[in-house]
Amino acid sequence: DAKTTQPPSMDCAEGRAANLPCNHSTISGNEYVYWYRQIHSQGPQYIIHGLKNNETNEMASLIITEDRKSSTLILPHATLRDTAVYYCIVRVSYSNDMRFGAGTRLTVKP
Amino acid sequence: DTAVSQTPKYLVTQMGNDKSIKCEQNLGHDTMYWYKQDSKKFLKIMFSYNNKELIINETVPNRFSPKSPDKAHLNLHINSLELGDSAVYFCASQAGSSYNEQFFGPGTRLTVL
Repeated sequence: DAKTTQPPSMDCAEGRAANLPCNHSTISGNEYVYWYRQIHSQGPQYIIHGLKNNETNEMASLIITEDRKSSTLILPHATLRDTAVYYCIVRVSYSNDMRFGAGTRLTVKP
Repeated sequence: DTAVSQTPKYLVTQMGNDKSIKCEQNLGHDTMYWYKQDSKKFLKIMFSYNNKELIINETVPNRFSPKSPDKAHLNLHINSLELGDSAVYFCASQAGSSYNEQFFGPGTRLTVL
């Protein structure tokens, strides 16, 4: 699976959009981009995933660049409960193997 | 109802003991996993079970053995516990196709003294 690079930490003001970047420059054509988050002491929680098109669900939006070498997770209106570690993961569609990196620790501040 | 549950939530034990952690999912999923999150917070996959067959074994010591009595359960048995086994262990499950999301349990914090 391709390696991902994320900033170790970010801050965001409550009510503002949180934009979390992820670089995956060695991603191959059959690898999807997944985002999970882990709120303190809880199990990871799925957020969203995509292949090459932008995706949106009730939690977030995923913007993938045209060359697929990077992506951005957008939380449109961050709340204090969005404070968590956010993991960007790439994996092939036929693999159950999901490898977590260090992630980005997002702190939403009042 | 809790989708993926684990028991116990906390487990404190002595070196050399044998212990088990239980996991149950009520989602009807085909695949279940065990992950280990160490003190540095890195989350690593240990095992995956699909229809009661082991399909991933991430070179964990053979002191660790997953046991699946049925599709809804994947228990983790650990023999001869060592200090380095102290970690949080997460169970997860996934439906059908491998690109589907994984649902994680709340974790079991194991402390070996």
